[in-house]
Amino acid sequence: ETGVTQTPRHLVMGMTNKKSLKCEQHLGHNAMYWYKQSAKKPLELMFVYSLEERVENNSVPSRFSPECPNSSHLFLHLHTLQPEDSALYLCASAPGGAGHEQYFGPGTRLTVT
Amino acid sequence: DQQVKQNSPSLSVQEGRISILNCDYTNSMFDYFLWYKKYPAEGPTFLISISSIKDKNEDGRFTVFLNKSAKHLSLHIVPSQPGDSAVYFCAASRRHGEKLTFGTGTRLTIIP
Repeated sequence: ETGVTQTPRHLVMGMTNKKSLKCEQHLGHNAMYWYKQSAKKPLELMFVYSLEERVENNSVPSRFSPECPNSSHLFLHLHTLQPEDSALYLCASAPGGAGHEQYFGPGTRLTVT
Repeated sequence: DQQVKQNSPSLSVQEGRISILNCDYTNSMFDYFLWYKKYPAEGPTFLISISSIKDKNEDGRFTVFLNKSAKHLSLHIVPSQPGDSAVYFCAASRRHGEKLTFGTGTRLTIIP
């Protein structure tokens, strides 16, 4: 049990749909992250929240919209995605600031049709 | 431009032998390095780390070596066990808590 949960674990959506990914951490951490993992590519950092404030947005298209209502929850709202957005989306949390040991959730496997 | 590189996408090792996974980096500002292990359908889990003030860190069967002049680090697993079969990611960050930069991963298969 990593202490970081993600729902749903699998999601298939059409390009015109709107959906949300949810992440919850039970570790008392202050920083939360969204990563994208595509086949044969490094994990790509998308967003970083520290103490519920977005501190980094790595040039992510606006069709991805993060939300961090409190330090335990992180959402990624999706709308009008493209097939190339199909990937594994991983949430992570860390104590204190960014960097260093991060604790990952199991990921949401997203398929855009 | 990939700042953290794992040039071997896969590696097979006999059970009981030593597994050596390699990682190279280009950014000389990196001074904290981590290894993560990932099983299918699970998120990466932290394995071991090393600060640039050290050249070796050991934790049980796992040892990480850092060669700063060569900008190279390696993870040694000895003896290798079937449960070590997974994808291993190398990651790096700066000291003052900036983001992690990951490599593409190496799939390790331990052959019984």
